[in-house]
Amino acid sequence: ETGVTQTPRHLVMGMTNKKSLKCEQHLGHNAMYWYKQSAKKPLELMFVYSLEERVENNSVPSRFSPECPNSSHLFLHLHTLQPEDSALYLCASSQEGAGARNYGYTFGSGTRLTVV
Amino acid sequence: GNSVTQMEGPVTLSEEAFLTINCTYTATGYPSLFWYVQYPGEGLQLLLKATKADDKGSNKGFEATYRKETTSFHLEKGSVQVSDSAVYFCALDPKAAGNKLTFGGGTRVLVKP
Repeated sequence: ETGVTQTPRHLVMGMTNKKSLKCEQHLGHNAMYWYKQSAKKPLELMFVYSLEERVENNSVPSRFSPECPNSSHLFLHLHTLQPEDSALYLCASSQEGAGARNYGYTFGSGTRLTVV
Repeated sequence: GNSVTQMEGPVTLSEEAFLTINCTYTATGYPSLFWYVQYPGEGLQLLLKATKADDKGSNKGFEATYRKETTSFHLEKGSVQVSDSAVYFCALDPKAAGNKLTFGGGTRVLVKP
């Protein structure tokens, strides 16, 4: 497989559940990102990993917990979410530096999360 | 700081009409500029890019020219199709270490047959 793959595509979870979103990239990139896309709101950058280390956390609530075990995989662990967390969660990857400047980011298709 | 401003949508037009989506940016130096497209139910796809002033990016009939003097990167297509219905995002990479892509708010385009 090539590109950025996100699973699952759709997820419905209760507020007391614990679930995880998975992202996998086969592009040889060294940076990965989580974005949140809510209806009628701009894209929100949640987390950035560069060389498997978290380099940015844009004041995201602790009920979202990222994990990057290696440069190809990124997880977003979810627990005790709220209905307002319902959104499309997008994963992206890039090659830091000249790669990103010249080629931008590659996005996955997203996970549509509904919290009930 | 860096910012990207794009026209608010939705933009509704008929098939074969001319499309323009305005994008202006604020950044120091000479950023790289991008247009991404998001089709319904999908993630963002890179549509075109320009990495320096006066560059023209083009793809799938879409074009955008990097205008340093007006800090703009407007997206145009001469004859849209129903399949061009999507949300379009303008973005910049400031080319500075540690800085990330900055996105505009997105413009929804609806093309009617």
